[in-house]
Amino acid sequence: SQQGEEDPQALSIQEGENATMNCSYKTSINNLQWYRQNSGRGLVHLILIRSNEREKHSGRLRVTLDTSKKSSSLLITASRAADTASYFCATDSTSGGSYIPTFGRGTSLIVHP
Amino acid sequence: GAVVSQHPSWVICKSGTSVKIECRSLDFQATTMFWYRQFPKQSLMLMATSNEGSKATYEQGVEKDKFLINHASLTLSTLTVTSAHPEDSSFYICSARRQATDTQYFGPGTRLTVL
Repeated sequence: SQQGEEDPQALSIQEGENATMNCSYKTSINNLQWYRQNSGRGLVHLILIRSNEREKHSGRLRVTLDTSKKSSSLLITASRAADTASYFCATDSTSGGSYIPTFGRGTSLIVHP
Repeated sequence: GAVVSQHPSWVICKSGTSVKIECRSLDFQATTMFWYRQFPKQSLMLMATSNEGSKATYEQGVEKDKFLINHASLTLSTLTVTSAHPEDSSFYICSARRQATDTQYFGPGTRLTVL
């Protein structure tokens, strides 16, 4: 079963606007990671936030983590047309001593120039 | 940065044939590699976890005899789709977990089309 669930499923905005995507998960995690995927391509790692962290920044990206609500958000500021892609959150939890990564369904972001 | 390659990038084959997909970590060692499949506009579904030198751990519902995984070295894992059928057509993506880190690095994916 899928661990993470992103919302919205799809988001359409104008260039320059901010885009916010949310991710909710069900079980305890070690860390949560956000990835982007351009159509028909592999995944690109964006940012990792650990369970003891609350916020992290990387360039125009800002990720928050609320372990009490089992949720995370990804904010892309001053969006660009090149940000158009699908964004996935992946949670990393431990099962039987092994890390088990699980992906959500993704948010499809379209940034109009 | 860490690079993971997959070969081939895409493959078209006839029903009943077997297809091998390679996943390589080019500049780091990966004790664990993961294989995913992704249908159009869907998320990545974990198929199996591949550990170097041991048998792969398959997720529920994934046929181990159909999807053969071999993790022969710290830099190479292969997925063989045996007796492929049209319903096996999908985008297959591998990832490698770098030793002593939490981050997975993904390959570019292999698009399999079975006619």
